[in-house]
Amino acid sequence: GENVEQHPSTLSVQEGDSAVIKCTYSDSASNYFPWYKQELGKRPQLIIDIRSNVGEKKDQRIAVTLNKTAKHFSLHITETQPEDSAVYFCAASRGGGFKTIFGAGTRLFVKA
Amino acid sequence: ETGVTQTPRHLVMGMTNKKSLKCEQHLGHNAMYWYKQSAKKPLELMFVYSLEERVENNSVPSRFSPECPNSSHLFLHLHTLQPEDSALYLCASSPLEGELFFGEGSRLTVL
Repeated sequence: GENVEQHPSTLSVQEGDSAVIKCTYSDSASNYFPWYKQELGKRPQLIIDIRSNVGEKKDQRIAVTLNKTAKHFSLHITETQPEDSAVYFCAASRGGGFKTIFGAGTRLFVKA
Repeated sequence: ETGVTQTPRHLVMGMTNKKSLKCEQHLGHNAMYWYKQSAKKPLELMFVYSLEERVENNSVPSRFSPECPNSSHLFLHLHTLQPEDSALYLCASSPLEGELFFGEGSRLTVL
């Protein structure tokens, strides 16, 4: 079946450093790539998304890049802060919520 | 508050019990989903309903039975569960194309 691989599973950075999380997907028909953040004991929430007709998207300290040829996409967080500590999930789908397949998650620790 | 409400938030049941999880969304979305979240595993898509019709069933055991009586409500009926079914069950809704909005989840423990 289709799957999404996500690395690393755990990432620890110093406050102010950058963090990068990488994902690969198998379904070449995927065209929507959201990233969700889940804080401890809370629901996953969308933080940024990108569609297949765009190579990069940025929102303040967060950016996502997409390489459709290689079926890779990445999340970049700059100037990390302790409140960025959470589990981050990448996902891929063919069109929005339908058949959204999630990666296994990356637990990010930002040390003050 | 994302407009997706799940009840109960916590549930403990024995293997012979029958219980139900409830999800309600007030966002006017056309699609609703059940996901299972276990420790150290990806979010597993269980069921998808679009316009009240089930369009996805990812080989989920029959001891899990979904019901979608209308576009705002989704249930997950549970019976004769196993301890390995203990997990966080997340409901979500979305427009037909767009992001998922998750509920807070129902933490299920099967004894």
